[in-house]
Amino acid sequence: NAGVMQNPRHLVRRRGQEARLRCSPVKGHSHVYWYRQLPEEGLKFMVYLQKENIIDESGMPKERFSAEFPKEGPSILRIQQVVRGDSAAYFCASSRGQDTGELFFGEGSRLTVL
Amino acid sequence: AQRVTQPEKLLSVFKGAPVELKCNYSYSGSPELFWYVQYSRQRLQLLLRHISRESIKGFTADLNKGETSFHLKKPFAQEEDSAMYYCALRMRSGNTPLVFGKGTRLSVIA
Repeated sequence: NAGVMQNPRHLVRRRGQEARLRCSPVKGHSHVYWYRQLPEEGLKFMVYLQKENIIDESGMPKERFSAEFPKEGPSILRIQQVVRGDSAAYFCASSRGQDTGELFFGEGSRLTVL
Repeated sequence: AQRVTQPEKLLSVFKGAPVELKCNYSYSGSPELFWYVQYSRQRLQLLLRHISRESIKGFTADLNKGETSFHLKKPFAQEEDSAMYYCALRMRSGNTPLVFGKGTRLSVIA
C-alpha cells in the first residue's frame, strides 16, 4: 500500500528555468493538496485539487505557478521562470474525501534555485 | 481569516516530565482542530483530532473555544516523543484545506 509518492525528491534549477514537481496520491484518493515550506516557516497552503478541477488556489502566487490533477496520471505543480525565492520544500498530500480532515503526506520535493 | 499560532519553536523537557505544546487559533466559525507529527526521517502524519476526543500515544488535546486554544498534553514524556509537532485547523464544513501553524520541535532529554 504505497503512500503519497513525490518526485523528484531533490531538484536544482537555475534562475529562469522551469520546475515540475509530481505527486501521485494514495490509491483511491481523489483529493490532492500542495503545501510549501520555506526555511524556518511552517507549511503554507498553496492549492487544493480534485480530479480535473481546482477547488481552492487561494495560496498560489498569481504568476508563474500552476497546478493540475488530470484524469489520468499524477498531480503536477509547475513553476515557470524560477527565482531564488522559490527555493523551498514542496509537500503534496492526499485525502479520500473532503470531510475526513486526515491528510496523507508525501516526503516532499526540495527545490533549490541557483 | 483562519490562523494558527504555535508560540514555541522549540520545547525541551526531561524524560518523565509533563509536556504541553501550545496552540492558539483565530477563526470566527466552527473549526476542526488537529495535531500532526513528524518524527525524524518520517512523513508528516496525523496524531489526533479534536472531534475524536481520544488519546494517542498518551497525548490528549482539548478544544477550548473560550480561549481559542487546542494545547497538546502528555503527562510523562518519552524519548520517542521527540519530533516536530504541527497544530492545524480547518472549517467544519465545505471544501476547505488545512491551515497549519509553524510547528514546535519537542526534544525529550534522557
